[in-house]
Amino acid sequence: DAGITQSPRHKVTETGTPVTLRCHQTENHRYMYWYRQDPGHGLRLIHYSYGVKDTDKGEVSDGYSVSRSKTEDFLLTLESATSSQTSVYFCAIRTGTNSPLHFGNGTRLTVT
Amino acid sequence: GQQLNQSPQSMFIQEGEDVSMNCTSSSIFNTWLWYKQDPGEGPVLLIALYKAGELTSNGRLTAQFGITRKDSFLNISASIPSDVGIYFCAGQLGAGTYKYIFGTGTRLKVLA
Repeated sequence: DAGITQSPRHKVTETGTPVTLRCHQTENHRYMYWYRQDPGHGLRLIHYSYGVKDTDKGEVSDGYSVSRSKTEDFLLTLESATSSQTSVYFCAIRTGTNSPLHFGNGTRLTVT
Repeated sequence: GQQLNQSPQSMFIQEGEDVSMNCTSSSIFNTWLWYKQDPGEGPVLLIALYKAGELTSNGRLTAQFGITRKDSFLNISASIPSDVGIYFCAGQLGAGTYKYIFGTGTRLKVLA
């Protein structure tokens, strides 16, 4: 158990509304990631963080922003949700630069 | 962009049979990871491989890091019903990098 909690676990929202997903970790790991998972695609990186207030874009970052004001929390925001952002979102952590990723249990987001 | 080809996409096997799946790429990877994902949950790390040619076991699971560094294999021996799920490979591009490429998964179904 990597001590990762994602909230909410499920959310339905309307197109154009803002949405924030939260990832909370209990073990002060430096590296945190947000991925999305869609049928036919492998997990794809949205944004990642390598420390408090240190974040960078992944391969599918358009339409998403992140914030990390505390080590334990990494927030993913959809400023104006679109139907193409319907997906399952996973947070992951790494304990060190050469350590593997450990995932949370995901948030299923539906944008209607 | 880089891609991981994971095969087979799905397989039905009888309980007790051995299972093999693999991932190949045109890119060279520094690390290979294998995950299992159950419905409604996040991927769980099974095996991590860090060196070309490395062969690592975890119970009935054995994985190998290909000597070309472009492929990896996962074998499951004497399958049981709880092996059902989706198995993902992931390759890390470069030591210490944030960048992982994920396969699209092998869906395993075990017939009792």
